[in-house]
Amino acid sequence: DGGITQSPKYLFRKEGQNVTLSCEQNLNHDAMYWYRQDPGQGLRLIYYSQIVNDFQKGDIAEGYSVSREKKESFPLTVTSAQKNPTAFYLCASSGIGTGGNEQFFGPGTRLTVL
Amino acid sequence: EDKVVQSPLSLVVHEGDTVTLNCSYEVTNFRSLLWYKQEKKAPTFLFMLTSSGIEKKSGRLSSILDKKELFSILNITATQTGDSAVYLCAVENNAGNMLTFGGGTRLMVKP
Repeated sequence: DGGITQSPKYLFRKEGQNVTLSCEQNLNHDAMYWYRQDPGQGLRLIYYSQIVNDFQKGDIAEGYSVSREKKESFPLTVTSAQKNPTAFYLCASSGIGTGGNEQFFGPGTRLTVL
Repeated sequence: EDKVVQSPLSLVVHEGDTVTLNCSYEVTNFRSLLWYKQEKKAPTFLFMLTSSGIEKKSGRLSSILDKKELFSILNITATQTGDSAVYLCAVENNAGNMLTFGGGTRLMVKP
């Protein structure tokens, strides 16, 4: 089955800790994305990557870091510098084309800071 | 800065009603507009619109784009309780394949 997987489903973090959220896709998509969603709000872009070993900051990159060592994987690290990390994190992937690109989403990771 | 505004913020209807959800946008170098449905977790894709005036339809859901007036609507006819969800609108620009999302419309359909 093709799709996007995220782990863990739920994550609890103590203040001052870094945590890494996993995202893997087997859709052979070139582009991958990380979004943050707060209660009652839409999605905000944290980072995105269109090719291996390259990524760009989105609208709210401060306090986060990513890597793209493999096409299939785009892990997100929430660092201690992120002041309000409690949120729902969604990973997505898409092809790259000129006719419009649907993004496919993983099931999400809900991060809670204790 | 690209911007997407959805209205209403929330909506409560009864089964069988018809609803219209609105999405207006400002985006540099528009490529496409997408609608997603989000129930508990991951948004699921509904429609992608790239051309004005062409209605996309899937069962009881339909959507149309007006590129001149910069908006789209999503219609749901004969609503069912299973339509209860947050509906998200997003626009894609030509630079970087990024999506800018609106804040969503929360629809509740009562029996």
